[in-house]
Amino acid sequence: EDQVTQSPEALRLQEGESSSLNCSYTVSGLRGLFWYRQDPGKGPEFLFTLYSAGEEKEKERLKATLTKKESFLHITAPKPEDSATYLCAVQGMEYGNKLVFGAGTILRVKS
Amino acid sequence: DSGVTQTPKHLITATGQRVTLRCSPRSGDLSVYWYQQSLDQGLQFLIQYYNGEERAKGNILERFSAQQFPDLHSELNLSSLELGDSALYFCASSVEAGNTGELFFGEGSRLTVL
Repeated sequence: EDQVTQSPEALRLQEGESSSLNCSYTVSGLRGLFWYRQDPGKGPEFLFTLYSAGEEKEKERLKATLTKKESFLHITAPKPEDSATYLCAVQGMEYGNKLVFGAGTILRVKS
Repeated sequence: DSGVTQTPKHLITATGQRVTLRCSPRSGDLSVYWYQQSLDQGLQFLIQYYNGEERAKGNILERFSAQQFPDLHSELNLSSLELGDSALYFCASSVEAGNTGELFFGEGSRLTVL
């Protein structure tokens, strides 16, 4: 069964203090790994797709990387508006578009 | 705004009752997905429809059912409600049936069962 584990559960940073979030996964044949951002009371918002080990994607202060067992979401010089829950999900070889999500990392950035 | 519309936003009901949640996908999207999000379980995939047909099924209870109509909107029916069914129910849509994990989520329907 596909599984995703995210760490830490919560992370508090000062504005400008860079850090990384971790997503460890087990999946029978990775079709894709996805990062989403979720603000309180809102639905998840798509950030990145990674397909193979070694791949990297960047968007503003966020950079996602992928290895065969885990993915990292690096946050460089975060700002308070980066505060959100960051969700990692994997898509395996099962037919259809089922995503298996991790529990998320709650990020708080203080000014 | 993702373009996915869900109604109602909030719903309070009693145990044993039945409710229907509605979802309108983004214009042009043929796939609709339903997810349940609770504090202890996180986001759990329930079911996917593509152009009116069931495409994939997750841990959806037998008390729950869904359908996608010819105009592509979808409804999730929850019956014989239990306290544990209290959760946020999200609908998401995508253009394709299974080649992308880029889903567009609605803002959810918060169900409270008393």
